[in-house]
Amino acid sequence: EAQVTQNPRYLITVTGKKLTVTCSQNMNHEYMSWYRQDPGLGLRQIYYSMNVEVTDKGDVPEGYKVSRKEKRNFPLILESPSPNQTSLYFCASSFLNGQGGEQYFGPGTRLTVT
Amino acid sequence: GENVEQHPSTLSVQEGDSAVIKCTYSDSASNYFPWYKQELGKRPQLIIDIRSNVGEKKDQRIAVTLNKTAKHFSLHITETQPEDSAVYFCAASRDGNKLVFGAGTILRVKS
Repeated sequence: EAQVTQNPRYLITVTGKKLTVTCSQNMNHEYMSWYRQDPGLGLRQIYYSMNVEVTDKGDVPEGYKVSRKEKRNFPLILESPSPNQTSLYFCASSFLNGQGGEQYFGPGTRLTVT
Repeated sequence: GENVEQHPSTLSVQEGDSAVIKCTYSDSASNYFPWYKQELGKRPQLIIDIRSNVGEKKDQRIAVTLNKTAKHFSLHITETQPEDSAVYFCAASRDGNKLVFGAGTILRVKS
């Protein structure tokens, strides 16, 4: 089954404790992206990757890191989480297409930082 | 960079009525405009999209219109049903991949 998976789905942590949210897709997509969703702000892009070893900042990259060592995986790293990073996080993937195309979203990770 | 504004933030309609959600974008180079639907507790899913070389696209009860000159595009849902209740997001892209989303519209269909 074609899908994007994320783990964990829920996470409660404390300020400053490093964490990683994993994202994996099995559709051979080149493009992968991380978004955060906050009420009234929609979906905002954190980082994206157009292929292996190619990553770039989105609109709200501060406090986050990513890596793309393999085509299927795109982990999101919070080295020192802070309460303002409490949010719902989505990973998404798609084929690289200048004409546009569907981005497939993972199920989401709800993160609470106390 | 691109900025997408979406209105209204909340929309309530009676079952069977039509619903219209409007978005404006700032970057005249944007050429791809998708709409995503997010049901409660679920992931966003693409429902329809339009490219800048097309003015209107329809898929059963949903349609999207694009006015490039005015830099706005709209989602139209006809004969609304309770299962249309969800959050709808518009987005714009200049390269087909990087999406900038609007803030979302909560649509409630009352039966």
